[in-house]
Amino acid sequence: QKEVEQNSGPLSVPEGAIASLNCTYSDRGSQSFFWYRQYSGKSPELIMSIYSNGDKEDGRFTAQLNKASQYVSLLIRDSQPSDSATYLCAVSPNDYKLSFGAGTTVTVRA
Amino acid sequence: EAGVAQSPRYKIIEKRQSVAFWCNPISGHATLYWYQQILGQGPKLLIQFQNNGVVDDSQLPKDRFSAERLKGVDSTLKIQPAKLEDSAVYLCASSLGQGFYEQYFGPGTRLTVT
Repeated sequence: QKEVEQNSGPLSVPEGAIASLNCTYSDRGSQSFFWYRQYSGKSPELIMSIYSNGDKEDGRFTAQLNKASQYVSLLIRDSQPSDSATYLCAVSPNDYKLSFGAGTTVTVRA
Repeated sequence: EAGVAQSPRYKIIEKRQSVAFWCNPISGHATLYWYQQILGQGPKLLIQFQNNGVVDDSQLPKDRFSAERLKGVDSTLKIQPAKLEDSAVYLCASSLGQGFYEQYFGPGTRLTVT
């Protein structure tokens, strides 16, 4: 079982719609959760971090964490063409090591 | 605040040759990471330093890869000899410390081994 699994893409959404990205993790003791955005040919860019159960909102992005279900998600509201990228879920199974999922590629159709 | 710096940005070498990558973390960041990212996959941690000590190198192919972080600032990652399967992007990241701290990535070095 992979440590971090993301829903397979690619995910295509129309401009202005909500893009929903899902991530599950295997280590129940994980404490830190991150979403990174990676444009083609570029390095990952941190967009959200979440540490406790519930929702965390930052602009058009909302991260949701449910530790009991070992599930973390990212919602992108009012999707824009500039949101077209690969989104990486990263989870810290212990106090220092970060494990990444393979990423979900999002395409926003104008 | 300056970000994580890496060089070179691109490198093409033949198999069995050696190559070295350099990283300068964000000022004040004690923890430095080297990742390997193969096309279509997420980054995989190769080695993690806390100041100038190694915290985790369990996934570093030690027969060919080596890394050091002298004086707890800059770091170099070396591959000798390179194999075709080493073709990837090598990412350096840094964070204030271990644990809950967020990691910030440099632009990466794209290595092609022919």
